[in-house]
Amino acid sequence: DAKTTQPTSMDCAEGRAANLPCNHSTISGNEYVYWYRQIHSQGPQYIIHGLKNNETNEMASLIITEDRKSSTLILPHATLRDTAVYYCTQKNSGNTPLVFGKGTRLSVIA
Amino acid sequence: DGGITQSPKYLFRKEGQNVTLSCEQNLNHDAMYWYRQDPGQGLRLIYYSQIVNDFQKGDIAEGYSVSREKKESFPLTVTSAQKNPTAFYLCASSIDGPAKNQPQHFGDGTRLSIL
Repeated sequence: DAKTTQPTSMDCAEGRAANLPCNHSTISGNEYVYWYRQIHSQGPQYIIHGLKNNETNEMASLIITEDRKSSTLILPHATLRDTAVYYCTQKNSGNTPLVFGKGTRLSVIA
Repeated sequence: DGGITQSPKYLFRKEGQNVTLSCEQNLNHDAMYWYRQDPGQGLRLIYYSQIVNDFQKGDIAEGYSVSREKKESFPLTVTSAQKNPTAFYLCASSIDGPAKNQPQHFGDGTRLSIL
C-alpha cells in the first residue's frame, strides 16, 4: 500500500504557481521523496526528488518540511501542458521498487 | 537515444492465450520493474529484478511470469491464469550506483486488451 497521501484533484490557473501537497508521515530517515507525473496514456515522468533539503530543477521545486512528514511540489508558472496526474512516493536508496498511490489530478485552466 | 522501449504500444489477444510484453533498456541499468495500471488507479507492482537471473514477486504477481536472462531485457508474460488481464502495463528501470538515490525511469507502456 502507498505510504503517502495526496488530494484527489486540484485546479490551477494558467501562469500561476501550482502547489501540490503530499503527506508522508511514516517516512524513515533514509527514505527519499520522489515526484512523478503522468500525462494520459503515457509512462510516468520523473520530476524531482529530495531527502531533507529543498530542491529545485528546471521543472519544479520541492519543499520538504523540517520534520520530513510532508512536502510540496511547486510548478512556478503552470501551463496547460502541466495538466497531469502527479504522484508523490518514497523509498530508501538502492534498487527497491517505488510504491504509487492514486496521485493528484492537476487541471491547469486557461 | 538512451531509454526504455516497450512494444507493442497496443496488444490484443483472445481470452485463454498467453501473451508476452517486451521491455528493453539501453541505459545500462541494473534493476527493472513491471507495473500494472487500471483506469483511474495508481501503479501496482507485478515483478521486479535487481540483477540478471534474479527477480522477485511484487504485490500482484499471480497470473504473470518474467525472465531476466540479459541485463537490457525484462519480458513479462501474461498467462491465461490472470483473471482480468486487460490493463496498461508499464516497465521501468533504475541504477544503484555510487549515488544510491537515482530515480526509476519508465517506458511509455503497453495497453493490453483481451477480446
